[in-house]
Amino acid sequence: NAGVTQTPKFQVLKTGQSMTLQCAQDMNHNSMYWYRQDPGMGLRLIYYSASEGTTDKGEVPNGYNVSRLNKREFSLRLESAAPSQTSVYFCASSEVGLTYNEQFFGPGTRLTVL
Amino acid sequence: RKEVEQDPGPFNVPEGATVAFNCTYSNSASQSFFWYRQDCRKEPKLLMSVYSSGNEDGRFTAQLNRASQYISLLIRDSKLSDSATYLCVVPPNAGKSTFGDGTTLTVKP
Repeated sequence: NAGVTQTPKFQVLKTGQSMTLQCAQDMNHNSMYWYRQDPGMGLRLIYYSASEGTTDKGEVPNGYNVSRLNKREFSLRLESAAPSQTSVYFCASSEVGLTYNEQFFGPGTRLTVL
Repeated sequence: RKEVEQDPGPFNVPEGATVAFNCTYSNSASQSFFWYRQDCRKEPKLLMSVYSSGNEDGRFTAQLNRASQYISLLIRDSKLSDSATYLCVVPPNAGKSTFGDGTTLTVKP
């Protein structure tokens, strides 16, 4: 049981390049999330997927696209990377109920855009 | 006003001390609350959940005050290994969560 896995762990891009961050979970969770965390700051929600086949914008969606490929996988794409997108990206999953919403996080992808 | 606000600290305390962090939230409809721990450059991990007035787990106590819309985390007998950033999390509605910016704790020998 690997939990939430993310690839790659590290990535350096040049301005304007594109890339896709991969995330997979094996806990059979319905909901998945992408966050970014800038140095010294909290997590900001980029996009989330409440269930397979649905995606919604979070707090900071500009410059990103997502795909919920199936129940297990949720990818994040940067079409044209910018230095402002230098950050640590975390994927998370959860099973949502009225009184619980614990999120399980992947180890993160550290992205640098030059 | 931010949806979730935390005192950023840093809190620097000696081993064995008792330390408390507060977190205020703006959405009075929130039903469940969480404290996560994040070690440097690692992913956040759940520390405690709070669904009613409070929760206790060993040296850690989380309390909820709905009238004043804040939750607190109390750590007794601090250990060096408690040094981390503590994130307050409030799900304003099912499926989304708002994270505070975190409170940094350093426990010194």
